[in-house]
Amino acid sequence: DADVTQTPRNRITKTGKRIMLECSQTKGHDRMYWYRQDPGLGLRLIYYSFDVKDINKGEISDGYSVSRQAQAKFSLSLESAIPNQTALYFCATSDQDEQYFGPGTRLTVT
Amino acid sequence: GQQVMQIPQYQHVQEGEDFTTYCNSSTTLSNIQWYKQRPGGHPVFLIQLVKSGEVKKQKRLTFQFGEAKKNSSLHITATQTTDVGTYFCAEGSGGSNYKLTFGKGTLLTVNP
Repeated sequence: DADVTQTPRNRITKTGKRIMLECSQTKGHDRMYWYRQDPGLGLRLIYYSFDVKDINKGEISDGYSVSRQAQAKFSLSLESAIPNQTALYFCATSDQDEQYFGPGTRLTVT
Repeated sequence: GQQVMQIPQYQHVQEGEDFTTYCNSSTTLSNIQWYKQRPGGHPVFLIQLVKSGEVKKQKRLTFQFGEAKKNSSLHITATQTTDVGTYFCAEGSGGSNYKLTFGKGTLLTVNP
């Protein structure tokens, strides 16, 4: 959905490096989410936020942190990347129940 | 969190055949959503089911929510190559702390 953008789209980084994935939305939604997708494992929730002052851990938050800089921006950070964080990362937004996903960031940690 | 089990993991069909994917839970589901992810794409919302026994249709797609609200299914009639992708179910829960728990998905491939 062009209303939800993610940068970068692809990133290769080395073990131990800090990396930030960014998500922006123009839908005016309060709720934003970060997921990771691994083959055969579906989508797993990392963090979610219901407004700028509200941050919640998802089922796999270890090794990740987030920042909600504004209603429209929600960033995911890997403080010290490790190879098993290699995955496809999706940001999503919602105003009620339906979620709108960004195009994804493919991250490879070598 | 509550787990939703989705089967089968993979399904390959000939174009024109029907396809069904199932989502099961050991406990009562608040509601269920279905998403489709095309190869190389991102998940796209298809539908939400809330009521016990609910049935909704979108052209060739039929969605059902079980009477006990412990299972759901997505049925595609006469598949087409455009139906290729991974279909996910997801349970919505948490009340005001609303979030989705996704099944692992069913990858559908269609042989033309």
